Amino acid sequence: GAVVSQHPSRVICKSGTSVKIECRSLDFQATTMFWYRQFPKKSLMLMATSNEGSKATYEQGVEKDKFLINHASLTLSTLTVTSAHPEDSSFYICSAPSGQGRTDTQYFGPGTRLTVL
Amino acid sequence: AQSVAQPEDQVNVAEGNPLTVKCTYSVSGNPYLFWYVQYPNRGLQFLLKYITGDNLVKGSYGFEAEFNKSQTSFHLKKPSALVSDSALYFCAVRDSSSGGYNKLIFGAGTRLAVHP
Repeated sequence: GAVVSQHPSRVICKSGTSVKIECRSLDFQATTMFWYRQFPKKSLMLMATSNEGSKATYEQGVEKDKFLINHASLTLSTLTVTSAHPEDSSFYICSAPSGQGRTDTQYFGPGTRLTVL
Repeated sequence: AQSVAQPEDQVNVAEGNPLTVKCTYSVSGNPYLFWYVQYPNRGLQFLLKYITGDNLVKGSYGFEAEFNKSQTSFHLKKPSALVSDSALYFCAVRDSSSGGYNKLIFGAGTRLAVHP
């Protein structure tokens, strides 16, 4: 199956700083990637859809100025959490569909654990 | 509204016994259904999907799922559970209102605990 990586796997930062998380599709190209947030023992909450070459599409209630998304190439999307606060602490997961068809499988990265002190 | 329901927070089964993790869905149009598994502090791993064709879909690690249109269900099954199957399982359906995007709607997840 297709492989998606994330970096870093774990990050601890101070309140008020910014943190960048990278999502890469290693063996396929992805014009679209998705960013999710997962709280402990909870399901995934879709935050935004990252689009190569254009602006990201954010879900209702997600602050686009706080969670900056850049889809720099066909294999890389980044999520920057700006001015992080303790309530931003969470597990962030990205995914990418293996193709552009409606039935294509989404492959997920291993996730990034963010802890804001 | 489109949705996915996993009615059981946790399923307990003894090693060697068959297991079933339940999933029902509500979606307009043809459902594209997926099962994923998540191990602690890891991302989701794809298990199997139903797009069309045979109602019984076989996937990774010996798992299979049965699509039942009349009951709008897509239950995950395995004939003989392993302790290593213990994990969090998510059922998902493609959001048919997402246009060209492959947005997924996830269920709440079911924790499977397989006891020796």
